[in-house]
Amino acid sequence: GEDVEQSLFLSVREGDSSVINCTYTDSSSTYLYWYKQEPGAGLQLLTYIFSNMDMKQDQRLTVLLNKKDKHLSLRIADTQTGDSAIYFCAERPNQGGKLIFGQGTELSVKP
Amino acid sequence: DGGITQSPKYLFRKEGQNVTLSCEQNLNHDAMYWYRQDPGQGLRLIYYSQIVNDFQKGDIAEGYSVSREKKESFPLTVTSAQKNPTAFYLCASSTPPTEPHQPQHFGDGTRLSIL
Repeated sequence: GEDVEQSLFLSVREGDSSVINCTYTDSSSTYLYWYKQEPGAGLQLLTYIFSNMDMKQDQRLTVLLNKKDKHLSLRIADTQTGDSAIYFCAERPNQGGKLIFGQGTELSVKP
Repeated sequence: DGGITQSPKYLFRKEGQNVTLSCEQNLNHDAMYWYRQDPGQGLRLIYYSQIVNDFQKGDIAEGYSVSREKKESFPLTVTSAQKNPTAFYLCASSTPPTEPHQPQHFGDGTRLSIL
């Protein structure tokens, strides 16, 4: 079946790197996504990766995909207090356009 | 600017009452989605629509209804049959799966509470 798992909390110091991990189960997933949610707001797309890629970098964000282990990670370099939010991993199975979301990882950045 | 507008931002429901959440998009997207968010549970799909006048149930459709009479609009009704409606509701839109990929874009959400 379809399932996406994330750890619920991560705490880092300002200036450190943050790594948020995600595992998924549907090997047919074509795209995998990272969304950011600030308190009381909707989801903001951060980045996404196509399933035939291993890595994607976009400024401070690096996405790594290990398709064999069905493991996705998001690395945020030089983490700032403004990065404090909930981060959702999501997969898009091959059939249809719906997304399957993880529970979200709450990132707390301490000064 | 193109985007998705959800209204109202906060909504209160009395026992036995139906309430309707609005979602409008001007992104010219064919596909629209409704998700429910509860603390610690991520987002769960309620209903989705790939094209006007057509929609499908998601994983938790019981107690909800939708319509898709216009491309721009996908309202969600939370009926009295939904016994635990308190949650944050998010609407999203995207191009359909048959077209070159674009990710889902989200509105700012509506928080529904029981009086």
